[in-house]
Amino acid sequence: NAGVTQTPKFQVLKTGQSMTLQCAQDMNHNSMYWYRQDPGMGLRLIYYSASEGTTDKGEVPNGYNVSRLNKREFSLRLESAAPSQTSVYFCASSEGWRGETQYFGPGTRLLVL
Amino acid sequence: KNEVEQSPQNLTAQEGEFITINCSYSVGISALHWLQQHPGGGIVSLFMLSSGKKKHGRLIATINIQEKHSSLHITASHPRDSAVYICAVRGTSGSRLTFGEGTQLTVNP
Repeated sequence: NAGVTQTPKFQVLKTGQSMTLQCAQDMNHNSMYWYRQDPGMGLRLIYYSASEGTTDKGEVPNGYNVSRLNKREFSLRLESAAPSQTSVYFCASSEGWRGETQYFGPGTRLLVL
Repeated sequence: KNEVEQSPQNLTAQEGEFITINCSYSVGISALHWLQQHPGGGIVSLFMLSSGKKKHGRLIATINIQEKHSSLHITASHPRDSAVYICAVRGTSGSRLTFGEGTQLTVNP
């Protein structure tokens, strides 16, 4: 089993460009999450999907949209990238959304110029 | 003040030393997680606990709910333990995790 996979691993964007970060899990988990990690700060939740067909805002949702394409896949879209979105993005999944262990993908390093 | 505070921020130890990383939080919680972030960036979950103590190999995690405090101990530390250790809590009313900034541990041979 691959666990949680993310693509791409690294991306450089110019301000105003758009892109979609892809995430997939093969553990049959119900819940999926997108986080960003910035220096000097803890991981912060951008959006989450408690179950297939639902999505909810996390702590820092502005400038992002998400799609829970099916039970396996959860994508994060930046419609108009800004330098403040330079960060490392992690996707995670868990069996449920109440306290269960989360399994993380390898991360996507995004640089917005 | 952050909801989750870790100390120390950085820790350097010699191989074989006993290591303690602390986590304090300011809200009521339903669970506390300890995670490890490898130098390459990957994050793995080490423990989830809501009371008492858990042990896995050389790692021990404890929590004191009354004092809102948890510790992660590493016995007989090894250079391969070098990583960032992250504490995260889940509040009693919400579903999301709140993360500490992490403790960078370096174990020298």
